Amino acid sequence: NAGVTQTPKFQVLKTGQSMTLQCAQDMNHNSMYWYRQDPGMGLRLIYYSASEGTTDKGEVPNGYNVSRLNKREFSLRLESAAPSQTSVYFCASSEAKTGGTYGYTFGSGTRLTVV
Amino acid sequence: GQQVMQIPQYQHVQEGEDFTTYCNSSTTLSNIQWYKQRPGGHPVFLIQLVKSGEVKKQKRLTFQFGEAKKNSSLHITATQTTDVGTYFCAGLPGTSYDKVIFGPGTSLSVIP
Repeated sequence: NAGVTQTPKFQVLKTGQSMTLQCAQDMNHNSMYWYRQDPGMGLRLIYYSASEGTTDKGEVPNGYNVSRLNKREFSLRLESAAPSQTSVYFCASSEAKTGGTYGYTFGSGTRLTVV
Repeated sequence: GQQVMQIPQYQHVQEGEDFTTYCNSSTTLSNIQWYKQRPGGHPVFLIQLVKSGEVKKQKRLTFQFGEAKKNSSLHITATQTTDVGTYFCAGLPGTSYDKVIFGPGTSLSVIP
């Protein structure tokens, strides 16, 4: 029972390069999320997906795109990386439904450095 | 916009002392969740409170949800070095069913 799996764990990019962060969950959760965490900034929501086939912007979506490939997988793409995107990225999932959500399960994170 | 605040931002305690972090929302919440993140790790879900005035305990941890469902607290009795980390509250606004708002977290250091 792996929970939420993120790849890669570490990545160094040059400014302007692109990459996709992968996330998969095996808990049959409906909702999936992408957060970034910067020192002193807490967790900021980039994009989320309430169900397969739907995605919505969060607090800091600029410079990112997402794809909810199927119920299990939710990927985050940086089309042209910038140093300001240096951060730790967390994927999370939850069993959310009308009437309330349940605790989020987080992946172990991707530590991204853009030089 | 909707905000969730936490105080204090940092807390340093001697091992064995108690610790409390407070969470306040600008709007009424459907529920409040608490997470712990160890240094270098990822947030781990601790508990969810749903009812007004609810109190839940997990060993040395006591969680409370305010009567107005706009504030919450986490109290740790007799801290241990294993309690080190950042504690986040996350509130589910009444207008949402799937997107919580995370507080900025309280970083706890325990001096042995």
